[in-house]
Amino acid sequence: AQSVAQPEDQVNVAEGNPLTVKCTYSVSGNPYLFWYVQYPNRGLQFLLKYITGDNLVKGSYGFEAEFNKSQTSFHLKKPSALVSDSALYFCAVRDRAGGGNKLTFGTGTQLKVEL
Amino acid sequence: DVKVTQSSRYLVKRTGEKVFLECVQDMDHENMFWYRQDPGLGLRLIYFSYDVKMKEKGDIPEGYSVSREKKERFSLILESASTNQTSMYLCASSSTGVNTEAFFGQGTRLTVV
Repeated sequence: AQSVAQPEDQVNVAEGNPLTVKCTYSVSGNPYLFWYVQYPNRGLQFLLKYITGDNLVKGSYGFEAEFNKSQTSFHLKKPSALVSDSALYFCAVRDRAGGGNKLTFGTGTQLKVEL
Repeated sequence: DVKVTQSSRYLVKRTGEKVFLECVQDMDHENMFWYRQDPGLGLRLIYFSYDVKMKEKGDIPEGYSVSREKKERFSLILESASTNQTSMYLCASSSTGVNTEAFFGQGTRLTVV
């Protein structure tokens, strides 16, 4: 079975500082990994994905994520946070070996960027 | 842009009512999904469909059914609504292929009283 863990319910960071939102995963084979963002009372918006190749993936709005196979992690990062980045962030995984379409999400991390 | 449209943003229904949540996508995607979102639990998959008239149970299918008569439309049905089905419901679609991202609708906040 595939699963995702987001160990932090909330992350607080000052505007201009770097931010990291953590994600670890568990799959039987190799993973496809995704990050989504949700603003209040809205659906989820796709940010970026890791499929294969370069371990550092760049996405929308200046976000990037680093895939680490040995640590089974896919942490979301941004060099300089903005107040407008404040939102709920979800990590998700699909198992390549499973071959199915099921996308499993973590419980979400609330990011709060303060002035 | 891909558009996934859910028929209602907010719904209030009574216990025991039959409830229909509708979702339409305009990108000719093969796959469609229904999730529910609850605080602290993230998104949990209720059902998904990979083709017209095809469906598979997700992690929490109890109390729900689905219908996919046309490729662009995927309906979630609560046969007899209960208060523990009060939640945010999110529809999503994606093309075939495990490396493709899913696109989400704006969500329907359902309250069962």
